[in-house]
Amino acid sequence: DAGVIQSPRHEVTEMGQEVTLRCKPISGHDYLFWYRQTMMRGLELLIYFNNNVPIDDSGMPEDRFSAKMPNASFSTLKIQPSEPRDSAVYFCASRLDSVYGYTFGSGTRLTVV
Amino acid sequence: AQTVTQSQPEMSVQEAETVTLSCTYDTSESDYYLFWYKQPPSRQMILVIRQEAYKQQNATENRFSVNFQKAAKSFSLKISDSQLGDAAMYFCAYRKGGSEKLVFGKGTKLTVNP
Repeated sequence: DAGVIQSPRHEVTEMGQEVTLRCKPISGHDYLFWYRQTMMRGLELLIYFNNNVPIDDSGMPEDRFSAKMPNASFSTLKIQPSEPRDSAVYFCASRLDSVYGYTFGSGTRLTVV
Repeated sequence: AQTVTQSQPEMSVQEAETVTLSCTYDTSESDYYLFWYKQPPSRQMILVIRQEAYKQQNATENRFSVNFQKAAKSFSLKISDSQLGDAAMYFCAYRKGGSEKLVFGKGTKLTVNP
């Protein structure tokens, strides 16, 4: 089991550019989550999917953020246009059983300059 | 809204000694789960231990154990025989039963001194 795989590991982009973060959950896990980690706000849930369907996107900060899960093995988080305040570490996580915690990926560190 | 508080921004411990990290939470729910996650410099969040609120017995995982005080809403993590590899940020997290959202504390940075 390769775990939750995120790419890229680091992303540096200029303000106004489109950024796409990618995630491959653990096979068989039917829930997928996107979290953001910043020094100021800590870890925040952005959105989560169940069986590829978005269930709760109330944590998505603005319309500039969008997430998709076209199939059980792939999800994207897109920011368009990006702004410096979007700089953070973005984590993807997946889980199978409701009792247990998530399995997190290694995160993508996004820097918007 | 539920909140999780970790009152110790930083802690240090000597190798082979024992350290306890504090966590308190605020909730009016009776059904919930509590977790400790470790975040080493590699950045990945690793589940250390979990506790179901309905269980009175404290969870243990090898050198890691918790002191779950439900009435006091306290959930501390004890690390025994500390090792250099235990150095990391430790996050306490709460999840309400039936909810998918994890609420995290701000974290405690643990340093292990040789």
